[in-house]
Amino acid sequence: QKEVEQDPGPLSVPEGAIVSLNCTYSNSAFQYFMWYRQYSRKGPELLMYTYSSGNKEDGRFTAQVDKSSKYISLFIRDSQPSDSATYLCATVPFSGGYNKLIFGAGTRLAVHP
Amino acid sequence: EAQVTQNPRYLITVTGKKLTVTCSQNMNHEYMSWYRQDPGLGLRQIYYSMNVEVTDKGDVPEGYKVSRKEKRNFPLILESPSPNQTSLYFCASRDPFGSGGYTFGSGTRLTVV
Repeated sequence: QKEVEQDPGPLSVPEGAIVSLNCTYSNSAFQYFMWYRQYSRKGPELLMYTYSSGNKEDGRFTAQVDKSSKYISLFIRDSQPSDSATYLCATVPFSGGYNKLIFGAGTRLAVHP
Repeated sequence: EAQVTQNPRYLITVTGKKLTVTCSQNMNHEYMSWYRQDPGLGLRQIYYSMNVEVTDKGDVPEGYKVSRKEKRNFPLILESPSPNQTSLYFCASRDPFGSGGYTFGSGTRLTVV
């Protein structure tokens, strides 16, 4: 079993839709949770990070963590064609000095006009 | 501009011919890391470095070497490349006291024939 599971998609939605991207993780020792966005032929860029359970909002993006069920989500409101990318969830175990990010496989999102 | 620079962007080589992928960051980050990205497997850590002359193995270190002689540079060395090392490689760096996220380079697409 992978430590972080993520549905690879692809996910195709119309412009303006609310998008829900999800990951599950297996180890309750995981502390930080992050979402990265990766455009084609580019490196991943950090979108959001959170430490605790609950919601964190940044503009049209909301990250949600439920540590009791080991479930993390990213919601995108009013999705735009420019949101079309691969979204990677990642977590950081406490051990190892936060050096090691463990990534999900990524979900490819396409937002069509 | 704060960035991680990798070279080359694309490389095709033959089995057994030693190669080096360079990585340089201008953010004075202490932590640096190499990842490979493969379809369905996501990003997997190859090696990481917590500071000059301090390196350690990640999840998939076999067939790779690294060195950290200067803070800004973290080259990845393939002494005898094999076809199973055909992949997309990313170098990344982070500030240990920052938000926790890595800043990634634009990637190196390596093909070993």
